[in-house]
Amino acid sequence: AQTVTQSQPEMSVQEAETVTLSCTYDTSENNYYLFWYKQPPSRQMILVIRQEAYKQQNATENRFSVNFQKAAKSFSLKISDSQLGDTAMYFCAFIENRDDKIIFGKGTRLHILP
Amino acid sequence: DAGVIQSPRHEVTEMGQEVTLRCKPISGHNSLFWYRQTMMRGLELLIYFNNNVPIDDSGMPEDRFSAKMPNASFSTLKIQPSEPRDSAVYFCASSFLSDTQYFGPGTRLTVL
Repeated sequence: AQTVTQSQPEMSVQEAETVTLSCTYDTSENNYYLFWYKQPPSRQMILVIRQEAYKQQNATENRFSVNFQKAAKSFSLKISDSQLGDTAMYFCAFIENRDDKIIFGKGTRLHILP
Repeated sequence: DAGVIQSPRHEVTEMGQEVTLRCKPISGHNSLFWYRQTMMRGLELLIYFNNNVPIDDSGMPEDRFSAKMPNASFSTLKIQPSEPRDSAVYFCASSFLSDTQYFGPGTRLTVL
């Protein structure tokens, strides 16, 4: 069965620190997409970063980067120089190739402390 | 570019009333998804469409819920009659060729 596991329900870090959110997933497919979404208190679901499984290079978006380990089925998100605006729920997710439905993890609630 | 548009953003209604939520997907996207999010159950997929055709409605809670997509640029989710347990945030999302889903801002529904 397709699953996404986020083992850290909640985390807190000081502003300007670096934080890593972990995610593991299970799939029997070789081609798929991986995502991190951010949901701030406004409840808007915002795409943070996207990774194509066939690409070995880790995706980066400004202060956000991923560590994609395909063999280990691991997809962690690193936030550098964290800011107060990064406070949000973060969801890891993936879509298998040829499928439409996205599988979400249960989320990690991240607090950035001033 | 306009993202996914949802209306209304907030809806407060009384039990038994009909509620209609609306969604305009991103132009050119061929898939549309309706989700419900609550504290207890998290994010749940209710139904999704490909090329305006419903593909999977297994997440629709019961017959009180119905969804339509009459054309590529519009979809509705209707609840009739509404109940307090339907109170949640309802999201619409769209995607192109099974890739990234982009979410609308959501409709916060409160049923009294």
